[in-house]
Amino acid sequence: DGGITQSPKYLFRKEGQNVTLSCEQNLNHDAMYWYRQDPGQGLRLIYYSQIVNDFQKGDIAEGYSVSREKKESFPLTVTSAQKNPTAFYLCASRKGQGTSEAFFGQGTRLTVV
Amino acid sequence: GEDVEQSLFLSVREGDSSVINCTYTDSSSTYLYWYKQEPGAGLQLLTYIFSNMDMKQDQRLTVLLNKKDKHLSLRIADTQTGDSAIYFCAESMGKGGNKLTFGTGTQLKVEL
Repeated sequence: DGGITQSPKYLFRKEGQNVTLSCEQNLNHDAMYWYRQDPGQGLRLIYYSQIVNDFQKGDIAEGYSVSREKKESFPLTVTSAQKNPTAFYLCASRKGQGTSEAFFGQGTRLTVV
Repeated sequence: GEDVEQSLFLSVREGDSSVINCTYTDSSSTYLYWYKQEPGAGLQLLTYIFSNMDMKQDQRLTVLLNKKDKHLSLRIADTQTGDSAIYFCAESMGKGGNKLTFGTGTQLKVEL
């Protein structure tokens, strides 16, 4: 079945460690996105990619990094520079712009202790 | 900045209409969307509206767009307990329209 998969669902890390969140899609979508969700702040855009080997910073990119070496994959690394990394992270993809629907993964809840 | 704002909470009785409001800032947005998020899950697209439209109706959902005031609303008729969720408005902006920005979300609670 086609879809977008995030793994793992729950992730615990010690403060000061980098951690990479996985996002894979088999929908043949060009655009992929990473959002962070915090209570009362909605979804905030971290990074997005419109095409392979290209990505742009979103509104809160500091302390995060991404790569887009394959169309299917858009991993997000939360670095030790991110001041408040504990959050729910959502990955999304869509075919292009306009009326195309964004499909979301089930999310990864990252807890840094 | 490009802020999309919504009120945080809305409570309605089952059978009543719900109206969720959204204010966006980018007048060049070509498409505006409403997404629904069930507890602990990702988001699903409910409906969208093109910026040259004023209204769109889709079964129980009615979307109104006031482009002059940059105001978008979602009306849910005959609200049911299954409609309880967080509702997000979103806009496409930026070069190529690929930057997809979401609002703060409105938590809708439907009471019996």
